[in-house]
Amino acid sequence: GAGVSQSPSNKVTEKGKDVELRCDPISGHTALYWYRQSLGQGLEFLIYFQGNSAPDKSGLPSDRFSAERTGGSVSTLTIQRTQQEDSAVYLCASSLGSWPGGYTFGSGTRLTVV
Amino acid sequence: SQQGEEDPQALSIQEGENATMNCSYKTSINNLQWYRQNSGRGLVHLILIRSNEREKHSGRLRVTLDTSKKSSSLLITASRAADTASYFCATDQGSGGSNYKLTFGKGTLLTVNP
Repeated sequence: GAGVSQSPSNKVTEKGKDVELRCDPISGHTALYWYRQSLGQGLEFLIYFQGNSAPDKSGLPSDRFSAERTGGSVSTLTIQRTQQEDSAVYLCASSLGSWPGGYTFGSGTRLTVV
Repeated sequence: SQQGEEDPQALSIQEGENATMNCSYKTSINNLQWYRQNSGRGLVHLILIRSNEREKHSGRLRVTLDTSKKSSSLLITASRAADTASYFCATDQGSGGSNYKLTFGKGTLLTVNP
């Protein structure tokens, strides 16, 4: 597609449930990033995928968070046993390569854990 | 304080005036980028300035970088109501770091009044 697509745009879930957030990067972009933005805060790095290399998962806040990228394209961020502090906007971005000449961001998924 | 801190936190001006936002950072960088975010959703890449550059222009945007002071400024000239948004600076780490991992500040909320 023309841009980075994320779904769902909004998700309300009960505490303790698992959620899956999806990201469709721009076709041909080899690098994909997940960031989290809590209310009124800057962006917090979560995970980075580049081609077939092992992902950099150093930003994942706990083992309840995981992500995968299938076929070098679509990525899914999974949060297990959600907690209220997981409430945030989850942003996905992609770029042509590992050198950040500028990311293209999706519109994000607003996750609310009640 | 964290890498990539913007000030002021909020700025309110009249249409036609210039808006200046500042960003400070702590560690050496390869480049610094500015992004804009409307309504708390996806970010839009505005401009990138490399560590060996001192000034860069793009339309009504002017960015400066002072690596000796570890600071950058974003100037928007002849502001318009449509410029109302949050503006973030983002840095990547210098040598030895992961230059794909951008560190964002908390942003400056700019309001341009008609």
